[in-house]
Amino acid sequence: EVQLLESGGGLVQPGGSLRLSCAASGFTFSGYLMSWVRQAPGKGLEWVSSISGSGSSTFYADSVKGRFTISRDNSKNTLNLQMDSLRAEDTAIYYCAKAIRGSSSESDYWGQGTLVTVSS
Amino acid sequence: QSALTQPRSVSGSPGQSVTISCTGISSDVGGYNYVSWYQQHPGKAPKLMIYDVSKRPSGVPDRFSGSKSANTASLTISGLQAEDEADYYCCSDAGTYVVFGGGTKLTVL
Repeated sequence: EVQLLESGGGLVQPGGSLRLSCAASGFTFSGYLMSWVRQAPGKGLEWVSSISGSGSSTFYADSVKGRFTISRDNSKNTLNLQMDSLRAEDTAIYYCAKAIRGSSSESDYWGQGTLVTVSS
Repeated sequence: QSALTQPRSVSGSPGQSVTISCTGISSDVGGYNYVSWYQQHPGKAPKLMIYDVSKRPSGVPDRFSGSKSANTASLTISGLQAEDEADYYCCSDAGTYVVFGGGTKLTVL
């Protein structure tokens, strides 16, 4: 059974940093592109970043480029998102999601999300 | 990286059919056959309902169908049921990025 469990969310001041993690199980982690998608309170879904199965290719939304860094540890089946220079508009639930096949942008499994609140 | 355009809300009675549109541009919806649709109930994670424009993951009822014409994709739900009431999001690959629609709230009357 595929499971994705996010952690690392919390309250952080503007300008601060936070590192999210997603522990994956139930599938061959290194074989799939993984993504982070966020949802601000009462708002829609917003793609944040994706990383290829090997970790060699990364992709970012313009809204987070230069501030967020996606990475993965295939030996530990873990996906990470380092978030720096956080802004109030980064407040959201952050979901990790697994590609439906290798390098697809479409995600068939999602975690339950972790809440990030950026506020002073 | 502009969001895809979806109607804010649609509604239908049980047993009826509804269609939700999703309009993009030639560099996202129009340029790729990687359009997906997600259902989200309040407080829950999104659930994949349609991928590759018209394919259904296992377990998704065949009442859900997808299509695409030029820069507009559509999700049709036939035989509406109460449990279909949810938010629906379209999503498209755009090469080096991914773009979601703003979401459509489906109300089952």
